Amino acid sequence: NAGVTQTPKFRILKIGQSMTLQCTQDMNHNYMYWYRQDPGMGLKLIYYSVGAGITDKGEVPNGYNVSRSTTEDFPLRLELAAPSQTSVYFCASSFGQMNTEAFFGQGTRLTVV
Amino acid sequence: DQQVKQNSPSLSVQEGRISILNCDYTNSMFDYFLWYKKYPAEGPTFLISISSIKDKNEDGRFTVFLNKSAKHLSLHIVPSQPGDSAVYFCAASAYAGGTSYGKLTFGQGTILTVHP
Repeated sequence: NAGVTQTPKFRILKIGQSMTLQCTQDMNHNYMYWYRQDPGMGLKLIYYSVGAGITDKGEVPNGYNVSRSTTEDFPLRLELAAPSQTSVYFCASSFGQMNTEAFFGQGTRLTVV
Repeated sequence: DQQVKQNSPSLSVQEGRISILNCDYTNSMFDYFLWYKKYPAEGPTFLISISSIKDKNEDGRFTVFLNKSAKHLSLHIVPSQPGDSAVYFCAASAYAGGTSYGKLTFGQGTILTVHP
């Protein structure tokens, strides 16, 4: 079982560049999430989606955009990368019903220089 | 505003002994609590959870205790094994009214080291 797959695993960006972090899941989960983890901190929610065509902001959405055209895919777009976006990014998915856990991808380590 | 706090950045335990990881929360709307385990260069993996209608949940060597009046939960690992060495995250969600969409609020994490 693949679960949640993120690509790339590592990336170095220059300030002002753009990129898309890819996330796909094969568990037929309706709910998908993007989190970022900074050193010594917990994961913070960037964006989430409750189904294809529906997305909403999380706690730290500034500088990011998302789309959800299919149930499986939930890409995260960084426009005009800034050093503050240096972080580890995790995609997750869940059934979204009461008392169910989220499943996480292995993460993308992004450095903006 | 840190709604979920893990005040111990690290914990060191001898193999075979008990590991106790603590977590405090401030949002009284949280009604579902989870513990995740994370190894370096991997994503968090679900370990155990507890609903607010319970005060204890066990799964093998792992037990989670919830004290709602104190807004405190703890994870007990007995006996601890070297393979348990990882970062442990406490997380919480609020399903009141069904509008939380499974969004999790995480603590900062505690690094557990189990020495052979």
